[in-house]
Order: sequence, then C-alpha cells, then structure tokens
Amino acid sequence: AQTVTQSQPEMSVQEAETVTLSCTYDTSENNYYLFWYKQPPSRQMILVIRQEAYKQQNATENRFSVNFQKAAKSFSLKISDSQLGDTAMYFCAFLLNTGNQFYFGTGTSLTVIP
Amino acid sequence: GAGVSQSPSNKVTEKGKDVELRCDPISGHTALYWYRQSLGQGLEFLIYFQGNSAPDKSGLPSDRFSAERTGGSVSTLTIQRTQQEDSAVYLCASSLDHRRANEKLFFGSGTQLSVL
Repeated sequence: AQTVTQSQPEMSVQEAETVTLSCTYDTSENNYYLFWYKQPPSRQMILVIRQEAYKQQNATENRFSVNFQKAAKSFSLKISDSQLGDTAMYFCAFLLNTGNQFYFGTGTSLTVIP
Repeated sequence: GAGVSQSPSNKVTEKGKDVELRCDPISGHTALYWYRQSLGQGLEFLIYFQGNSAPDKSGLPSDRFSAERTGGSVSTLTIQRTQQEDSAVYLCASSLDHRRANEKLFFGSGTQLSVL
C-alpha cells in the first residue's frame, strides 16, 4: 500500500520570505507521480506542481519548486517570496503510474503573515 | 461547464436521514473521483468512475454509501441512514481520463455535510 506523510500540521511565514513544506511517502513501486495541491478557504483544490518520479530534475513553477529525493522518498515544496494569497492548506499527493487512486497526506496549513 | 460543480455547498441533516450529493464534472472528462475530507485528516478515497467501466468502489466505508454516474457525466453520492461520523467535506474531482490524471485533477468546491 502507498502512504503519504506530512509531519507539519501548521506553518507560518513572513510575507516575502521562503518556506519549505515537508512530505514523505512510502511505496515499493518505481514509477509514479507526485503532486502538491493547494486548498484555499474556498475549498476548491488547485494543482500547484507535479513531479514524475523518473525525472531527476526538480520541477519548478514560478515561485514554487520541489526538492525530490527519490531514494529518501521525500518530496518537499519550497515557496519563495511568499504572498498573502499563498495562505491555504497544502496537500502532498501520490499516484502510481499504473493506478487510478490518488493518495493524499493530511495537509499542512500555511499562514503568510503580513 | 467551466469547472467541476458540486451541490449543495452545505448540507445539514439529522442522524438517520438519507442525503444525496451531486457532482457535475467538466464536460468531456471521463474520469470522476469522490473523496471525503474529515477535520484534521487527509483526503480519503471513496469511489472512482472511468467512462463506461465498472467503478472502483474500494474506498466506500460501508454499505450505507453508494454512488452512481448517469450517462457518463453527472454523479450522485448517496449516504443512507447518516451517522455523526459521516460529517465531513465531500469533494468531487474529474480529469480527462485516468491516463491523463497524472497531469491534473480538477476539483469542485465540495459539499460540507453536517449530521446532527
């Protein structure tokens, strides 16, 4: 079975600073995808960034980047130049290449402080 | 439609009543998921539909829960004889098809169910 662990229930960061959210996962498979989803107060989850496990290069998307350590099964999210609009719940998720079920972590509540 | 639409946005019901939650996915999306989000917990997979294939019901927590998808589009999640532990946000998501889910899931805003 696949599991996703987010060990930081809550985090805060000053506006314009950088913050890193942690995520670890467990799987015996080799081909999979990893995602970070953002859930603002509106509840509608939005894809922030995704990473294919077969790619060694870390994904980046504007101010968002990941540190993917496949051997350590770690997939952290770095948010640079934090903005007030980044305040949200962030969920790490995992999908097997051959599967249809996403596995989500318990989320990290991020607050950006003005 | 422009996005995944869920209704109602909020539902308050009494213990023992039946409820129906509706999801209208993005037009053309053949894959549809239901997830449950309980306070302090992650998203719990409930059920998955892909086109005309038999749904993956492996996440449904009990036989009080059922879901159907009519005409490959709108889906309804039904909870019979609701219990207080059913209180949660029920999220629906869709994607073009399961082979494309690795690109992006589109979520609705969920239904907040409160069982008194």
